[in-house]
Amino acid sequence: KAGVTQTPRYLIKTRGQQVTLSCSPISGHRSVSWYQQTPGQGLQFLFEYFSETQRNKGNFPGRFSGRQFSNSRSEMNVSTLELGDSALYLCASSLDFLGDTQYFGPGTRLTVL
Amino acid sequence: QKEVEQDPGPLSVPEGAIVSLNCTYSNSAFQYFMWYRQYSRKGPELLMYTYSSGNKEDGRFTAQVDKSSKYISLFIRDSQPSDSATYLCAMSDGTGKLIFGQGTTLQVKP
Repeated sequence: KAGVTQTPRYLIKTRGQQVTLSCSPISGHRSVSWYQQTPGQGLQFLFEYFSETQRNKGNFPGRFSGRQFSNSRSEMNVSTLELGDSALYLCASSLDFLGDTQYFGPGTRLTVL
Repeated sequence: QKEVEQDPGPLSVPEGAIVSLNCTYSNSAFQYFMWYRQYSRKGPELLMYTYSSGNKEDGRFTAQVDKSSKYISLFIRDSQPSDSATYLCAMSDGTGKLIFGQGTTLQVKP
């Protein structure tokens, strides 16, 4: 069974631009979560989607948004990029139970110049 | 104070040693406990998942949860150079959101 895939793997943007990252969950998984990983803050929860609905949201500004499609694929968008948005963005998928184990993709490394 | 505390290390041990990694937490609502391993420039890989207090063993890995002390541990027996990575503890209160520790960097020297 294929794992979680994320595209693109690397991105370089400039301040003020916007970016869209994509995640395809493991086949059969209906929940997708997004995390931001930085050296200073570690792994921080952004949001979680199930059946195209956002079920939970972390403490990030409204510039960070996401959505999930009917096939469970998910995208996250960051608008008006700031230098501090440079990070590894990780997507994780799980079956559906809220306490279920989450399996991570390889991440998208975003650099904001 | 962070909800989950984990010593970042680095921790350096000789090959074959037993490694002990630990996390403490403050939120009594945490019910699910996980350990992930992350190699440089890769996504976290799930190692262990536990729900209740007690021990769970899988090969060379043993996860231990003590809810009364709000303390979890991961033991690695017969450590190998390939175990060199960052180990992250993670916890959930069942809302679908994982709270991670800072991660402990482990180096196993041949």
